[in-house]
Formats: sequence, structure tokens, C-alpha cells
Amino acid sequence: IVMTQSAFSVPVTLGEPASISCRSSQSLLYSNGYTYVDWYLQKPGQPPQLLIYLGSNRASGVPDRFSGSGSGTDFTLKISRVEAEDVGVYYCMEALQTPFIFGPGTKVDIK
Amino acid sequence: EEQLVESGGDLVQPGGSLRLSCAASGFTFSNYWMHWVRRAPGKGLVWVARINSDGSTNYADSVKGRFTLSRDNAKNTVHLQMHSLTVEDTAVYYCARDEDDQEYYYGMDVWGPGTTVTVS
Repeated sequence: IVMTQSAFSVPVTLGEPASISCRSSQSLLYSNGYTYVDWYLQKPGQPPQLLIYLGSNRASGVPDRFSGSGSGTDFTLKISRVEAEDVGVYYCMEALQTPFIFGPGTKVDIK
Repeated sequence: EEQLVESGGDLVQPGGSLRLSCAASGFTFSNYWMHWVRRAPGKGLVWVARINSDGSTNYADSVKGRFTLSRDNAKNTVHLQMHSLTVEDTAVYYCARDEDDQEYYYGMDVWGPGTTVTVS
């Protein structure tokens, strides 16, 4: 499986929405009806943190301004209103089969 | 507090070996699969390996045959034994957990701070 992310970098404006796109080379929809894609954020100097699992489920403690959507092979992470603490590199990752594959990452920084 | 802490990172010469450890606390370790993920300088995240609750393992092609993942449920620890290291293995190595649930998947929801391996 190959994971691609549409942009290397996304400059954002505080308080404005932002979205990041991810595409997989094959469907991540499993026979149980779940789509096995995660979103992770790695802030500078920190380990990665889970934002979204199974395509659209927010992890515990993740603010509701983050949402995940998509199906099959095309996925989107949306931030409804960007805050300064959201800067970092965002990765999608397929969890359908090993080896798990991360996308190349999308760097989000403030304009 | 649910926590993972890696250790064992060091400077090692090409061709050398190193053993990384990940110590878990604050949760029932045996109920989780454990992963290693690395990030090389200036690069993105790369999944390295996974060990299931029963000890079965999966590896990235780039480390297969060189890295061995094991776990000690009595000591709440996983170990990543690395051999034949190359400069391409230079990275920060993170361990992360993934709940063992045959019916559902919750993502890699707890990560350690990482340990640095430098091959030079």
C-alpha cells in the first residue's frame, strides 16, 4: 500500500479552517465495515499523537475542532478553526495490513 | 498514568548491534499489541515492527532479518534487538501501544518520548 498526502506544507491562518488530504493506493475498507486509516500529529520536539482512528473517530482528549472523513481510498482531516497549538506535521497511516504505512506528512504552520 | 518509556538508544558503528527497550506502566500491558515507529532526521514517520499479545511479530521490509522484537509480559517490557545497523537506521525510535481487540481497532493511542539511535 502506498499512502500519499496532497501537500507537503499548508500555511494556515489562526481561527480559519484547514484541511489535509490523504490517498491510499488501495481501499482501506475492511470486511467489518471499518476503514483502517489513522491520523497522527507530531508537534515539534514531541512524539506523535493519535488524532483520528478508523477514519473518523476522534481519539480521547482530541478537541472536536478536528474531524476525519473519507472512504475507500480518499481521506481528509479537517480543522474547523486552527489554533496556534495545532502546528506540526500531520500524517495519515494505513492500519489495514502490516507493514503499516505512513503518508509522507503535511506540515502545518501559521501564515 | 498510562505511560511508555523507551531506553537503550546510543551511538553505534555501522554493522553494530543495539537493544532498545520500552517499559510500560499504568495499564494492563498484556492486553496490548506494541509497535515501534522511527523518524530519521529530516524524514517522516516509518513503521518498524509490531508484536501481538501472543508474541507473534511483523516487520517492515527494511528491517526484516536484522531486527527482532520480543516482549516480557511479566516485566511489562518490549525489546527491539537490532543487528547489522546501517546509517539508514539512524532515527528517533518510538514505541506505541495498540489495544488487542479482535472486533475493533483504537489506533496507536499512547506513545513514548522516544530514544535516539545514531549509526556512525
